[in-house]
Amino acid sequence: AQSVTQLGSHVSVSEGALVLLRCNYSSSVPPYLFWYVQYPNQGLQLLLKYTSAATLVKGINGFEAEFKKSETSFHLTKPSAHMSDAAEYFCAVSARNTDKLIFGTGTRLQVFP
Amino acid sequence: DSGVTQTPKHLITATGQRVTLRCSPRSGDLSVYWYQQSLDQGLQFLIQYYNGEERAKGNILERFSAQQFPDLHSELNLSSLELGDSALYFCASSHRGRNTEAFFGQGTRLTVV
Repeated sequence: AQSVTQLGSHVSVSEGALVLLRCNYSSSVPPYLFWYVQYPNQGLQLLLKYTSAATLVKGINGFEAEFKKSETSFHLTKPSAHMSDAAEYFCAVSARNTDKLIFGTGTRLQVFP
Repeated sequence: DSGVTQTPKHLITATGQRVTLRCSPRSGDLSVYWYQQSLDQGLQFLIQYYNGEERAKGNILERFSAQQFPDLHSELNLSSLELGDSALYFCASSHRGRNTEAFFGQGTRLTVV
């Protein structure tokens, strides 16, 4: 069975600081991994996905994530936070032989001026 | 705009009632997924349809049912509603039924009073 754990339900950073949102996965088979962002009163938007190509995945809005099999991690980073990055971020996993996404509990990112 | 349309955006109804949520997938997408987002359960996969046929089932209650019509739109029917069914219900669609390509709608917020 697949699962993801997001460490930290809330993360606060200053504008211009590094953003690091943590995600660890559990999967008995090579997984697909995703990061989604949800702005207030909005749907989920795909930031980036790992599907077994390059382990460093670049997404939209300057975000990237690195798949580390040895650490079973897929942490999301952005070098410099912007006020517009304030949102809730979800890590998700799926096995390659299924179509459903298993989501983490989410991390709310606050960005202070 | 993801191209996935959900109606209505908001729905308030009383306990014991039945409601229908509607989803129009992106043009050309054959697969539709339904997810429920609530404060206590987080984001949970409910059910997936592919070209009119049920393909995968998640944590969907027996009081809930879904279908996908020949024009590929989908409806999620929720009956005998309880206060705990209050949640945000998302629809997502993908072209070939692969979650690596899924795009989410903006959701229907259901409030049961």
